[in-house]
Amino acid sequence: RKEVEQDPGPFNVPEGATVAFNCTYSNSASQSFFWYRQDCRKEPKLLMSVYSSGNEDGRFTAQLNRASQYISLLIRDSKLSDSATYLCAGGGADSWGKFQFGAGTQVVVTP
Amino acid sequence: EAQVTQNPRYLITVTGKKLTVTCSQNMNHEYMSWYRQDPGLGLRQIYYSMNVEVTDKGDVPEGYKVSRKEKRNFPLILESPSPNQTSLYFCASKRVALGLGTGELFFGEGSRLTVL
Repeated sequence: RKEVEQDPGPFNVPEGATVAFNCTYSNSASQSFFWYRQDCRKEPKLLMSVYSSGNEDGRFTAQLNRASQYISLLIRDSKLSDSATYLCAGGGADSWGKFQFGAGTQVVVTP
Repeated sequence: EAQVTQNPRYLITVTGKKLTVTCSQNMNHEYMSWYRQDPGLGLRQIYYSMNVEVTDKGDVPEGYKVSRKEKRNFPLILESPSPNQTSLYFCASKRVALGLGTGELFFGEGSRLTVL
């Protein structure tokens, strides 16, 4: 079983709508979590870190639920440019140098 | 410009022919790491390095070697490549911040390797 799992999607979202998806992690000792965005096999880029208290960055909101071992990402007012694959990552469990990534959730925003 | 540079970006090679993928970062980051990305499997960590002369295995180290003789460079070595090492490879680096696992991972543009 992968340590970090995501629904691969695709999530087809009309422009302007809200989309949310989760990522589950199996190692309860994981210390830090992140959402990365990846466009069409290009390099992943950090979207946002995920803090215990939850955090928001413009139209994006990330939440961490340690009890149920998942993190979530919500995108409000979706734009065509939000179409991408979103990777969640967790680290710092066995060693803070180890980071596990999920396989990604594909989001397709349609006009 | 702050960046992680990988070379080559594309390579087709044959089974058994040793190759090295170079990775260099200009951000003075202590931490560097190599990942491979395969469809449906996502990014899997091969090796990482906390600092010069300190390297550790990730989740899929078999068939790979690394070295960290200088802070800026972290080459990935395939001594005897095999077809199952055909993949998209990413190098990444980050600053070592106080506290666990903080700080953004900066990725190189990727190296697409095909082993025939």
